[in-house]
Amino acid sequence: KNQVEQSPQSLIILEGKNCTLQCNYTVSPFSNLRWYKQDTGRGPVSLTIMTFSENTKSNGRYTATLDADTKQSSLHITASQLSDSASYICVVSPGGATNKLIFGTGTLLAVQP
Amino acid sequence: DAGVIQSPRHEVTEMGQEVTLRCKPISGHNSLFWYRQTMMRGLELLIYFNNNVPIDDSGMPEDRFSAKMPNASFSTLKIQPSEPRDSAVYFCASSTRTSGGAGDTQYFGPGTRLTVL
Repeated sequence: KNQVEQSPQSLIILEGKNCTLQCNYTVSPFSNLRWYKQDTGRGPVSLTIMTFSENTKSNGRYTATLDADTKQSSLHITASQLSDSASYICVVSPGGATNKLIFGTGTLLAVQP
Repeated sequence: DAGVIQSPRHEVTEMGQEVTLRCKPISGHNSLFWYRQTMMRGLELLIYFNNNVPIDDSGMPEDRFSAKMPNASFSTLKIQPSEPRDSAVYFCASSTRTSGGAGDTQYFGPGTRLTVL
């Protein structure tokens, strides 16, 4: 069964600290993996997208890594800011004839002053 | 550029009533998706369209749910009759579908928060 699991479910960190969010998937075949950020009361916004051949991709203070062999991804946030408080959702695309995505349940991050 | 537009932003209705949610995708996007999000289940794909044609509606929970896309710039999701368990945030998203099948980035609207009493 195609699944995307994220950990931790929630996380509280102090402003300025770094953190790493984890994503494990069992989706096959695999086309690409995305990380989305969802602020409270808003729709998800894409942060990064990585294909099978990409190991890392950065977007400002956000750095995503992908290990396609172990089917794991991480999202590292550097020097966290209060505005980073949001839900971070890992999303995998099986590709092929469908553009249907498989969503994780997200990690809720709270950055405190 | 305007993003994905959804209306209404909030809807409160009574059980048994018909609810219609509306979506205008980003101009030029040829794929449109309807999602439902709850605390318990996260984001769930309900149905998606390519070039106005429904491709996969396996996520539509029951016959009470129906979706249409009469043209490239408008889609509706209808629930009739509505039930309290339908309470959720409903998102519409759009993307450009490339050849080869690899889904492109989906751009989400602000969502419609539905409460069925």
